[in-house]
Amino acid sequence: QVQLVESGGGLVKPGGSLRLSCAASGFTFSDYYMSWIRQAPGKGLEWVSYISSSGSTIYYADSVKGRFTISRDNAKNSLYLQMNSLRAEDTAVYYCARPALGVLGSYFDYWGQGTLVTVSS
Amino acid sequence: AIQLTQSPSSLSASVGDRVTITCRASQGISSALAWYQQKPGKAPKLLIYDASSLESGVPSRFSGSGSGTDFTLTISSLQPEDFATYYCQQFNSYLPITFGQGTRLEIK
Repeated sequence: QVQLVESGGGLVKPGGSLRLSCAASGFTFSDYYMSWIRQAPGKGLEWVSYISSSGSTIYYADSVKGRFTISRDNAKNSLYLQMNSLRAEDTAVYYCARPALGVLGSYFDYWGQGTLVTVSS
Repeated sequence: AIQLTQSPSSLSASVGDRVTITCRASQGISSALAWYQQKPGKAPKLLIYDASSLESGVPSRFSGSGSGTDFTLTISSLQPEDFATYYCQQFNSYLPITFGQGTRLEIK
């Protein structure tokens, strides 16, 4: 069955960096776009970034553009999010999610359990 | 960006009640809308896609309707496990993907 397992969250100071990972299994990872979506404590869902199946096409939300970098390693069935220059408003649970149709412009049929990132001094 | 506005923001209901949640888009999105259920501490779970298609394994008491700018999620007879927060998401304009602000469904 499809599984997405995030890791790498934790407590970091403002201005610091963190790298999140998402290990995928149960499907042909290299066939799918993948996405990061976050949820601040007690708040709604916010899309963060998309990466194409090959990694050649990438999109970011304006709120993270220039600070976050999405990448993937299809040989390792893994998705990553490098987060730099972190701010308090980046505090959130970060979910790895699979677009059901495998491409942009889709709903998300599988989500990981999430990893909490807390930015605080 | 396309904005999605859900109403109500919160709702109290009893087991067995019929409940309807509305999602309005700031511009037409055809049928490119999904609904999710989220319970505390858990990831969102897909319920409905393409506005009215039921995801496999989701109970038939959940249904969706609408197209263009106005959409509804209906739960025909609330069960105890349905008390959760519900989100709509549009994917007609995928940059950015956007979600509604959520509707919290509580036990009366």
